[in-house]
Amino acid sequence: AQSVTQPDIHITVSEGASLELRCNYSYGATPYLFWYVQSPGQGLQLLLKYFSGDTLVQGIKGFEAEFKRSQSSFNLRKPSVHWSDAAEYFCAVGAIAGNQFYFGTGTSLTVIP
Amino acid sequence: NAGVMQNPRHLVRRRGQEARLRCSPMKGHSHVYWYRQLPEEGLKFMVYLQKENIIDESGMPKERFSAEFPKEGPSILRIQQVVRGDSAAYFCASSPPEDYEQYFGPGTRLTVT
Repeated sequence: AQSVTQPDIHITVSEGASLELRCNYSYGATPYLFWYVQSPGQGLQLLLKYFSGDTLVQGIKGFEAEFKRSQSSFNLRKPSVHWSDAAEYFCAVGAIAGNQFYFGTGTSLTVIP
Repeated sequence: NAGVMQNPRHLVRRRGQEARLRCSPMKGHSHVYWYRQLPEEGLKFMVYLQKENIIDESGMPKERFSAEFPKEGPSILRIQQVVRGDSAAYFCASSPPEDYEQYFGPGTRLTVT
């Protein structure tokens, strides 16, 4: 069965510290992987996506993610967190065009000064 | 090119009333997806539509919920006889044919009183 697991429900980091948000997936086909960010009361903004090729992908706002097939993971990283990064982060997996996305339950990020 | 548009952004209904949520996909997009986000949870797929066709409704509750995407006009998600458990954020996404990425609208937040 297809599923996405985000093990960390809530993470708190200091501004300027590095960040890693974990995402593990279970998918029967070749996965296409996405990270979205959602600010309170807002919609989802795409941070980055992986379809194929280089397993380290760069996204907006200084985020990057690495696809590790052997670990079924797609962890999101940022070297230095800014206060404006406080939000909810969702990992999602999909397949060929027209299939639904499967979302994780999200990781809530708090940034302290 | 305007993004995915959803209206209303906020909707309040009393128990037993009907809720109609509208989604206008991006220009050139013929695929529409509806997702529901319950409080403190990730997004759950509800239905996938193309113009005048329901392709996959495996995530739709069996009763009271229906969706359409007519030849002209927006996609409509309709909830009849709403109950408190229907209170959630409903997100629409669209994609062009043969594209793996789904573009999300800002969501409609439904509150049932």
